[in-house]
Amino acid sequence: DGGITQSPKYLFRKEGQNVTLSCEQNLNHDAMYWYRQDPGQGLRLIYYSQIVNDFQKGDIAEGYSVSREKKESFPLTVTSAQKNPTAFYLCASSIGDRRTYEQYFGPGTRLTVT
Amino acid sequence: SQQGEEDPQALSIQEGENATMNCSYKTSINNLQWYRQNSGRGLVHLILIRSNEREKHSGRLRVTLDTSKKSSSLLITASRAADTASYFCATDAYETSGSRLTFGEGTQLTVNP
Repeated sequence: DGGITQSPKYLFRKEGQNVTLSCEQNLNHDAMYWYRQDPGQGLRLIYYSQIVNDFQKGDIAEGYSVSREKKESFPLTVTSAQKNPTAFYLCASSIGDRRTYEQYFGPGTRLTVT
Repeated sequence: SQQGEEDPQALSIQEGENATMNCSYKTSINNLQWYRQNSGRGLVHLILIRSNEREKHSGRLRVTLDTSKKSSSLLITASRAADTASYFCATDAYETSGSRLTFGEGTQLTVNP
């Protein structure tokens, strides 16, 4: 099956701890994206990557970090510097090629920090 | 701030009725996309309409685009209870570093059986 996976589905952390969210795709897509969604709201872009070993900040990158060492993987680290990390995190991928294509989304990870 | 804004924020209809959702945006776009999200799940792409297109159909979905008014509408005909979900419009913002989408805040559609 081709698709995009995120793990875990639910994640609980104590305040002050860094946490890494996993995102893997086997669609052979060049571009990958991380979004944050708060209750009743739309998606806000955290980081995106058009190609391996390259990524750009989105609208709300502060307190987050990413890496893109492999085409298939785009992990997101939520650092202790993120003031309000509790949210629903969505990863997506698309063909890329610097043009706009539809994005394919993973099932999401719900992070709760207490 | 969000590029796209959906209207209404929430819509409740009876099964069999049509549902219309609207999206307005602020700047010029290359294309506009509509996505659907079931509660607690990822988004699913529904349809993409390019800036030089005025209308597009896919099954029970009909999307229109009016670039002069910077607005789009999504019509779902003969709605079903399974259409209950949040619907988002997304506009592209082509940058030298690559393409990205900006999402609106969505319309929550409830279809009552």
